[in-house]
Amino acid sequence: EDQVTQSPEALRLQEGESSSLNCSYTVSGLRGLFWYRQDPGKGPEFLFTLYSAGEEKEKERLKATLTKKESFLHITAPKPEDSATYLCAPGSGTSYGKLTFGQGTILTVHP
Amino acid sequence: GAGVSQSPSNKVTEKGKDVELRCDPISGHTALYWYRQSLGQGLEFLIYFQGNSAPDKSGLPSDRFSAERTGGSVSTLTIQRTQQEDSAVYLCASSLRDRHEQYFGPGTRLTVT
Repeated sequence: EDQVTQSPEALRLQEGESSSLNCSYTVSGLRGLFWYRQDPGKGPEFLFTLYSAGEEKEKERLKATLTKKESFLHITAPKPEDSATYLCAPGSGTSYGKLTFGQGTILTVHP
Repeated sequence: GAGVSQSPSNKVTEKGKDVELRCDPISGHTALYWYRQSLGQGLEFLIYFQGNSAPDKSGLPSDRFSAERTGGSVSTLTIQRTQQEDSAVYLCASSLRDRHEQYFGPGTRLTVT
């Protein structure tokens, strides 16, 4: 059974204080690891897809990395507008369309 | 371009009534998904459609839930005889194919009283 665990559940940062979010997963035949951002009252917004261990992708203050069992979302010098819930979802090679989402990390960045 | 749209944005219904939720995917996307997000819970997969293939219904919680996709585009999720535990945000997503990134709509907030 596919499993995803995100940590921490909640993270409070001061503006400019860099940190990382973790996504640990167990899936059969990983076909991609997806990161999303969700703001209150909205649907998740796609951020990144990582396909193989060692791969990195960046977007503004965010950088996602992937190993065989984990993915990290690094946030460099965050701003209050980065406050949101960040979700990860590994795609399984045995069930292409079905993403198993983690519970998310609620990030709050204080000015 | 236009994103995924869902209607209604909010729906309040009485226990025991049937409801229909609509999803318009991004034009050209062949795969369409339904998820449910309950208060304090993660996204729960319900069903997905890929082109003309039989839908994967493995996430539907009971036979009161059904979905159809007409003409490979618009989809309707139907919940019969609603229960209070059905209260949640129902999210629809679409993707180019079933192994590509999924783009979500704004969701329909369903409240069963």
